[in-house]
Amino acid sequence: KAGVTQTPRYLIKTRGQQVTLSCSPISGHRSVSWYQQTPGQGLQFLFEYFSETQRNKGNFPGRFSGRQFSNSRSEMNVSTLELGDSALYLCASSLSAGLGTNEKLFFGSGTQLSVL
Amino acid sequence: AQSVAQPEDQVNVAEGNPLTVKCTYSVSGNPYLFWYVQYPNRGLQFLLKYITGDNLVKGSYGFEAEFNKSQTSFHLKKPSALVSDSALYFCAVRVLSGGYNKLIFGAGTRLAVHP
Repeated sequence: KAGVTQTPRYLIKTRGQQVTLSCSPISGHRSVSWYQQTPGQGLQFLFEYFSETQRNKGNFPGRFSGRQFSNSRSEMNVSTLELGDSALYLCASSLSAGLGTNEKLFFGSGTQLSVL
Repeated sequence: AQSVAQPEDQVNVAEGNPLTVKCTYSVSGNPYLFWYVQYPNRGLQFLLKYITGDNLVKGSYGFEAEFNKSQTSFHLKKPSALVSDSALYFCAVRVLSGGYNKLIFGAGTRLAVHP
């Protein structure tokens, strides 16, 4: 069974540009969560999608947005990039995000975004 | 506010010695607690979790964690460290937000095991 796939692996952008990151969850998983990882802040929750609906959102500005498609693949978009957006963006999938007794998050390897 | 804290940025231990990576939490209700590990240039991998039951939870790669309700702690342990255990370790807790569950993570602890 293939794991969580994130593309691209690396991205270099300049301030003011916008970027789209992609995540394909494990087959059968319907929930996709996004996290931002930086050395100083650790992992910060961005948002979570389930069946094409955003169910949870972290404390990030509106420049950060996402969506989920009917096949559960998800995209994350960041507009008007700032230097502080440089980070590793991680996607995680789970069956339902209820995170109950038999559930856990499966992470992709991430997209490393550098904003110059 | 619901949160999880990892008080140590880095833990250094000699190979063969026992290791402990600390985690404390603050949540309402009964906690669901997790440990994840991140190797260089990789995503996070699940190690173990505590839902209910025995306070000592065993996980992957010989790791275990001890849940202590009175101290609101969930420390990760291993009896004998390996150099290959060197990685970044994250503690996480499940919280209810907006009617749905999500994981919030600690800042991470870097474990360095020296030969």
